[in-house]
Amino acid sequence: DAGITQSPRHKVTETGTPVTLRCHQTENHRYMYWYRQDPGHGLRLIHYSYGVKDTDKGEVSDGYSVSRSKTEDFLLTLESATSSQTSVYFCAISDTTHYEQYFGPGTRLTVT
Amino acid sequence: AQSVTQLDSQVPVFEEAPVELRCNYSSSVSVYLFWYVQYPNQGLQLLLKYLSGSTLVKGINGFEAEFNKSQTSFHLRKPSVHISDTAEYFCAVSLLKTSYDKVIFGPGTSLSVIP
Repeated sequence: DAGITQSPRHKVTETGTPVTLRCHQTENHRYMYWYRQDPGHGLRLIHYSYGVKDTDKGEVSDGYSVSRSKTEDFLLTLESATSSQTSVYFCAISDTTHYEQYFGPGTRLTVT
Repeated sequence: AQSVTQLDSQVPVFEEAPVELRCNYSSSVSVYLFWYVQYPNQGLQLLLKYLSGSTLVKGINGFEAEFNKSQTSFHLRKPSVHISDTAEYFCAVSLLKTSYDKVIFGPGTSLSVIP
């Protein structure tokens, strides 16, 4: 299994509070991604990174920001959590050759 | 616009019966194709992929898929399913451009294997 960890694995927070989710990889892959998974929507890309300090928006980036200061870490921040951001968040990584992605175990976030 | 369609949101099938999960895509550029499986409370893992060459691709756990360029399809098949195949299955398409290669995931098909 690819070495990808996500923390925390579960979190309950209140509306309006900031939340940061962490993705850590030990594979030295260049690309890292954050997705959210919601029933009926499959996986939707929030943000991605193609290198240290190089990030770009995905299709559902509003309300989210990311940072990548080291190859191995990719942080997702909800500046002010809303109930619509209740979801399961997955981090994924890929190298530059075959484009398949390797996924972390997910973080279940509940915003009350 | 590029998109991925999985025609069946839920597929119930009896144990040891064959199954086909359908995937169609639309794209104006060349693509790579993938099937992922997600077991309950886990992340996605790669089942198989088509990059080039033979249009029939074999993956893990006895699954295979066939790329049909004219029908823009990449259907997943297994001749005899097991209880342990109960999971969510996602088709994904990687769009090949000159810079960043973007992946689009389908909405998923929930496969339930009935004893």
